[in-house]
Amino acid sequence: DTGVSQDPRHKITKRGQNVTFRCDPISEHNRLYWYRQTLGQGPEFLTYFQNEAQLEKSRLLSDRFSAERPKGSFSTLEIQRTEQGDSAMYLCASSLASGGLADFVSYEQYFGPGTRLTVT
Amino acid sequence: QQPVQSPQAVILREGEDAVINCSSSKALYSVHWYRQKHGEAPVFLMILLKGGEQKGHEKISASFNEKKQQSSLYLTASQLSYSGTYFCGTAGGTSYGKLTFGQGTILTVHP
Repeated sequence: DTGVSQDPRHKITKRGQNVTFRCDPISEHNRLYWYRQTLGQGPEFLTYFQNEAQLEKSRLLSDRFSAERPKGSFSTLEIQRTEQGDSAMYLCASSLASGGLADFVSYEQYFGPGTRLTVT
Repeated sequence: QQPVQSPQAVILREGEDAVINCSSSKALYSVHWYRQKHGEAPVFLMILLKGGEQKGHEKISASFNEKKQQSSLYLTASQLSYSGTYFCGTAGGTSYGKLTFGQGTILTVHP
């Protein structure tokens, strides 16, 4: 078990550019979450997958954000036309889910080290 | 809605105890506690489920009052390594799979 990994760890980009982040979850985990965290705040939910299905997306997330988990393993988060307000730490987490899609969060989530995005 | 944590910050000396509270306005299925050190990812501490089941580290204790939608994390005989920001995350209502995190409680333990 190598834990959750994220790549890159740091990304500096200019406003208007597109960026893509990758997350590799713990191999046996079927749920994968993306969060955004700014200084002094708790992680803010963005979206989550169970296997390859994207089950929920935050209403706060604009259409510039998209996430995929094509084979139910790794996931990518893309931000198009980045804005300075997108600067944050982007965290990925994975967990098990015991039952069907309508399954409350009853297992611990393991977080990756995060990707720190700076938009200049 | 975001759960509310209290206090916002706590300063302790080694060996002292602390309680961190988490309160929600919605019916909860589970409460999760995490600790985050500066520049690091959040680390799992404890899950409390509706119905009384708990999963977590042996040295950490917590409670979940289902009627009041409140949870408390008890840190006893604190050590320097306990320093960090503690977050509660809640799940419930009509959203099955996601956690909504509180704003965090900063715990500082001095020698």
